[in-house]
Amino acid sequence: SQQGEEDPQALSIQEGENATMNCSYKTSINNLQWYRQNSGRGLVHLILIRSNEREKHSGRLRVTLDTSKKSSSLLITASRAADTASYFCATASNDYKLSFGAGTTVTVRA
Amino acid sequence: DTGVSQNPRHKITKRGQNVTFRCDPISEHNRLYWYRQTLGQGPEFLTYFQNEAQLEKSRLLSDRFSAERPKGSFSTLEIQRTEQGDSAMYLCASTTGAETQYFGPGTRLLVL
Repeated sequence: SQQGEEDPQALSIQEGENATMNCSYKTSINNLQWYRQNSGRGLVHLILIRSNEREKHSGRLRVTLDTSKKSSSLLITASRAADTASYFCATASNDYKLSFGAGTTVTVRA
Repeated sequence: DTGVSQNPRHKITKRGQNVTFRCDPISEHNRLYWYRQTLGQGPEFLTYFQNEAQLEKSRLLSDRFSAERPKGSFSTLEIQRTEQGDSAMYLCASTTGAETQYFGPGTRLLVL
């Protein structure tokens, strides 16, 4: 079963705009990770935030984690056409087995 | 390219046939995971190995599925008597036991 749920399911933005997607989960976690998947390909790790962290940055990515609400958000700033992809949050428990949500499909229009 | 390779990349088979997929992890990674992803969904955990030991299997992994990791290096996932519902992308990931998993490009299976 999938623990995470992303919101929205799909997002269409203009190049240069910011994209925000949210993830909610159900059980306690060690960490939460965000992955990107281009159409029909494998997943690429973007960023990991541990359960004792609240915010993390990596380049144009900003991730927040609120363990009291069991939710996370991923912000992509100044989006580019190359950011068009599906984005998945994944939660990791003690054995680091990942539980993924259904993903948010992001389309960046030129 | 994450350094994890999977073969074949695509497989078309007829219902009832057996198929086998291979995953070659990053060489120093002792943990290897298999996931299955159907269209429009996120990957779902199937099983994982620490070295050659298979430590957990999901309930998704019916008796028709078997996975091995001889000598703690590459891994194979075999599906016997394939069914149309087995059509999916099968993803392999490896890690050192640290948190980030490195995914291969996947094997896309179509069962006709």
